[in-house]
Amino acid sequence: AQTVTQSQPEMSVQEAETVTLSCTYDTSENNYYLFWYKQPPSRQMILVIRQEAYKQQNATENRFSVNFQKAAKSFSLKISDSQLGDTAMYFCAFMMGTTDSWGKLQFGAGTQVVVTP
Amino acid sequence: DSGVTQTPKHLITATGQRVTLRCSPRSGDLSVYWYQQSLDQGLQFLIQYYNGEERAKGNILERFSAQQFPDLHSELNLSSLELGDSALYFCASSPRTGRETQYFGPGTRLLVL
Repeated sequence: AQTVTQSQPEMSVQEAETVTLSCTYDTSENNYYLFWYKQPPSRQMILVIRQEAYKQQNATENRFSVNFQKAAKSFSLKISDSQLGDTAMYFCAFMMGTTDSWGKLQFGAGTQVVVTP
Repeated sequence: DSGVTQTPKHLITATGQRVTLRCSPRSGDLSVYWYQQSLDQGLQFLIQYYNGEERAKGNILERFSAQQFPDLHSELNLSSLELGDSALYFCASSPRTGRETQYFGPGTRLLVL
């Protein structure tokens, strides 16, 4: 079974600063997908970034970037130039690449990010 | 706005009752997914439907069932409700079978008293 671990329950960062959230996962498979979702106080789940395991290049999306270390099974998220609107719970999620596992997102416990003025 | 709609937004009911949660996927999406978010178990995948047929199952209780209709909307039925079923229930959709990104609806908050 695959597991997703987010070891930081909460992180605080000042506006305009950078924060890095950690995520590790456990799998014996080689083909999978990784995601970061954010959940602001509205409770809506919003995709932040997606990474395919077969791609060596780290995904980026504006101020959000990942550091994907496949051998270490690590998938950290960096938020640059933090904004007050980035305050949210951030979830790391894993999905197997096999056809019988498509669609089954497995989520970590989440990291609460608080951006302060 | 993800384009996925869920109704109702909130639901309060009593133990032993049955409720139905409704989800309309984004226009053109064929797959619908249901997730449960609770304090003790976090976010859990429940079930997936693709073009009307069950595609994948997760940790869904036997008291829970779902279906996807010809117009692609989906319903999650929860019966014999227990206090522990209180949670936020999300629906998500994607264009096809699941390797694509899933877009989540706003959720239905269920409170069982």
